[in-house]
Amino acid sequence: GAVVSQHPSRVICKSGTSVKIECRSLDFQATTMFWYRQFPKQSLMLMATSNEGSKATYEQGVEKDKFLINHASLTLSTLTVTSAHPEDSSFYICSARGNHGLYYEQYFGPGTRLTVT
Amino acid sequence: KNEVEQSPQNLTAQEGEFITINCSYSVGISALHWLQQHPGGGIVSLFMLSSGKKKHGRLIATINIQEKHSSLHITASHPRDSAVYICAIGPIQGAQKLVFGQGTRLTINP
Repeated sequence: GAVVSQHPSRVICKSGTSVKIECRSLDFQATTMFWYRQFPKQSLMLMATSNEGSKATYEQGVEKDKFLINHASLTLSTLTVTSAHPEDSSFYICSARGNHGLYYEQYFGPGTRLTVT
Repeated sequence: KNEVEQSPQNLTAQEGEFITINCSYSVGISALHWLQQHPGGGIVSLFMLSSGKKKHGRLIATINIQEKHSSLHITASHPRDSAVYICAIGPIQGAQKLVFGQGTRLTINP
């Protein structure tokens, strides 16, 4: 199957700094990217949806100025956590979807564990 | 009632046993996903299917659209199969959200 990569897999940063997480679809064109976060022992929670070349659509309660999403190409999306705080520590997962008429393919990245100290 | 229900929530088995995890859903879909999440957190997309059956190694996924039910089977289970298995349903097209089941925690003892 297709592969979606995320980088970095783990990151530790100091409070107040910004962190960028990259999500790449390696062998298909991702017209839509989804970003999720997951707290311990909980399910994945959708943060935002972005279509290539368009602004991201954020879920209710997710601060768009804090979680900046860029989807500049069909193979790359980035999530930047700005002015990170300890409560932003979480597991962030991207998912890439390629649409083919009535059919779509969608795969998940392995996730990025962010720890803010 | 959740749109996606998985059973069992927890499953412990001995190495070598045949494992079945079930996923039932209540709305119309075009595709269903099975994901594996390891204890360290990493997620692996196992299957995306809309009909019939798919097989990859020791893993088999089936779906019955009429009955709104899917199963994930693991043959000759191994301790490295220990993980949380997540079922998610998706739409035909567009940027709609996936709906996730609560996950099944599988533990395979040696």
